[in-house]
Amino acid sequence: DAGVIQSPRHEVTEMGQEVTLRCKPISGHNSLFWYRQTMMRGLELLIYFNNNVPIDDSGMPEDRFSAKMPNASFSTLKIQPSEPRDSAVYFCASSHSLAGGFPGELFFGEGSRLTVL
Amino acid sequence: AQTVTQSQPEMSVQEAETVTLSCTYDTSENNYYLFWYKQPPSRQMILVIRQEAYKQQNATENRFSVNFQKAAKSFSLKISDSQLGDTAMYFCALSQYGNKLVFGAGTILRVKS
Repeated sequence: DAGVIQSPRHEVTEMGQEVTLRCKPISGHNSLFWYRQTMMRGLELLIYFNNNVPIDDSGMPEDRFSAKMPNASFSTLKIQPSEPRDSAVYFCASSHSLAGGFPGELFFGEGSRLTVL
Repeated sequence: AQTVTQSQPEMSVQEAETVTLSCTYDTSENNYYLFWYKQPPSRQMILVIRQEAYKQQNATENRFSVNFQKAAKSFSLKISDSQLGDTAMYFCALSQYGNKLVFGAGTILRVKS
């Protein structure tokens, strides 16, 4: 299996521009997570989906952030308009639920490093 | 609410020695899962070890083992025979039924030769 695939690996953009990060989860996994990692705040969960349905988006910082999962094999995280404080590494992870509904082991992508100038 | 606390921002250990990373957590649930993840400089997050709360036996994976103290809500990671490749950021994480995984702030571990 190719693992969780994220694109782009690096993105440099200017303030005000739209940014779209993409994720392909591992085939067969039914949960997908978007995390943001910064030095100041560590690893923050932005949103997660179960069976393509958003379950908890309480971590999405502002209305500028939106996430979609149109099917089981693809998800996007969009920032519009982007700001310098959005600079971070954004991770996508997928998992298969364990018995009893617990989130199983998370398999992470390599992350997308976003720099907003 | 579920929280995970890692009180050691950084640690170092000599190659071949043993090191223990601390983690405490808070949850109102009786059943849950605990994880240790490793993030090397390459940035990719990798699962190190997993513990189910209803199992009393501590999980082990080769040189990695945990000391799970449910009553104290403590979940420490012991790395034996430390290797240079163990240098990484280590995250403790907690998951409850039907809920998300919550991560601690992480501990940077440096293995010195």
